Amino acid sequence: SFELTQPPSVSVFPGQTVSIACSGNKLENKYASWYQQKPGQSPVVVIYQDNMRPSGIPERFSGSSSGNTATLTISGTQALDEAEYFCLAWDSGSGVFGGGTKLTVL
Amino acid sequence: QVQLVESGGGVVQPGRSLRLSCAASGFSLSTYAMHWVRQAPGKGLEWVSVLWYNGLDHYYADSVKGRFTISRDTSENTLYLQMNSLRVEDTAVYYCAREPNTGAYLDFWGQGALVTVSS
Repeated sequence: SFELTQPPSVSVFPGQTVSIACSGNKLENKYASWYQQKPGQSPVVVIYQDNMRPSGIPERFSGSSSGNTATLTISGTQALDEAEYFCLAWDSGSGVFGGGTKLTVL
Repeated sequence: QVQLVESGGGVVQPGRSLRLSCAASGFSLSTYAMHWVRQAPGKGLEWVSVLWYNGLDHYYADSVKGRFTISRDTSENTLYLQMNSLRVEDTAVYYCAREPNTGAYLDFWGQGALVTVSS
């Protein structure tokens, strides 16, 4: 079955750049999207179709995809970026989420 | 503006049924695919089901197939999730979310409805 794997946690100092990977078999043939979720809140899309940024999402959020790995990168990380991040892709009409990555801003 | 408001959550015993609603405003359900996504307490997101814009095609996660049914009422602009034979492991916050016409992602989410399955 199709699965997406993310690191459980990453940490970064304010102002630095951090990347979160999402890997899965056949991901190269699928679009990935990324969601930010803060405690007690609903998820918010920050990247869609691998590298597209919705209106209202800061430019410091970017996405890329190569081979079987999609990557979310946050440049100039701010304290307010501390949250959990999930990737999402589709397989045969069904959605599959990665396990989530807790981003800590030190 | 686009708004999704879930309702119908609550506490239910194992084996019983519950129906969630998701009232949409600011757009028409008949022109978008709509999804249910759930999140167990302290856990990650789990995709549950999708109803395509045509209202005919639908898919389910293996964990709920045969027990849950997604539907909509376009006159009420409301999405539903009928949940039967509920299990303790179905305990979660259930979100409805919209898939835009460009596809492959979820652009608007509701605030979620908590379903607790417990004896």
